[in-house]
Amino acid sequence: QQQVKQSPQSLIVQKGGISIINCAYENTAFDYFPWYQQFPGKGPALLIAIRPDVSEKKEGRFTISFNKSAKQFSLHIMDSQPGDSATYFCAAHPNFNKFYFGSGTKLNVKP
Amino acid sequence: NAGVMQNPRHLVRRRGQEARLRCSPMKGHSHVYWYRQLPEEGLKFMVYLQKENIIDESGMPKERFSAEFPKEGPSILRIQQVVRGDSAAYFCASSLREGSGSGEQFFGPGTRLTVL
Repeated sequence: QQQVKQSPQSLIVQKGGISIINCAYENTAFDYFPWYQQFPGKGPALLIAIRPDVSEKKEGRFTISFNKSAKQFSLHIMDSQPGDSATYFCAAHPNFNKFYFGSGTKLNVKP
Repeated sequence: NAGVMQNPRHLVRRRGQEARLRCSPMKGHSHVYWYRQLPEEGLKFMVYLQKENIIDESGMPKERFSAEFPKEGPSILRIQQVVRGDSAAYFCASSLREGSGSGEQFFGPGTRLTVL
């Protein structure tokens, strides 16, 4: 059973547009929700993360929206750039233990 | 400040051989995690180790796979008698001790294993 469900699988956005990736989880014990960015041939790198005690966190062009009651969280990339083209993974974990990753979203930002 | 180091970056093995993957965590990190990533898929947890202890190996196949994190030296993920289905990218991550900071895991560049 997949602990974290991510959608869409792939996303094409025009330069300057907003990219939105969604994740949903079931386990209410999860208390840390990071997003990772992965370029081809590289390891995942932490982009932004949120805890369930806040509903939104913004860092530059990247925003996480968190809905605790719906058990959903999403990543918004404002003013998307071609350099943002990568695969994005949401993740969740309880108590600093292993991470459960979503299946990934391949983002392609067209110039 | 070096990040998580993994070697080799690429490893080619024939069916039946052994694969040995190494991971050096970030300085000061005592928690190591191994993940496997198949092409076009997400990362799947394999094992979580602290120095000299396996904390959680629920994601690791019961046969042929083993992991260790000795008191001195890198963490090792060992795959015996490799099969074609073992071909994947294997990522190591490390984090600071439990309960401190964000619990963020820092990932290495991965080892891409190809089994011929």
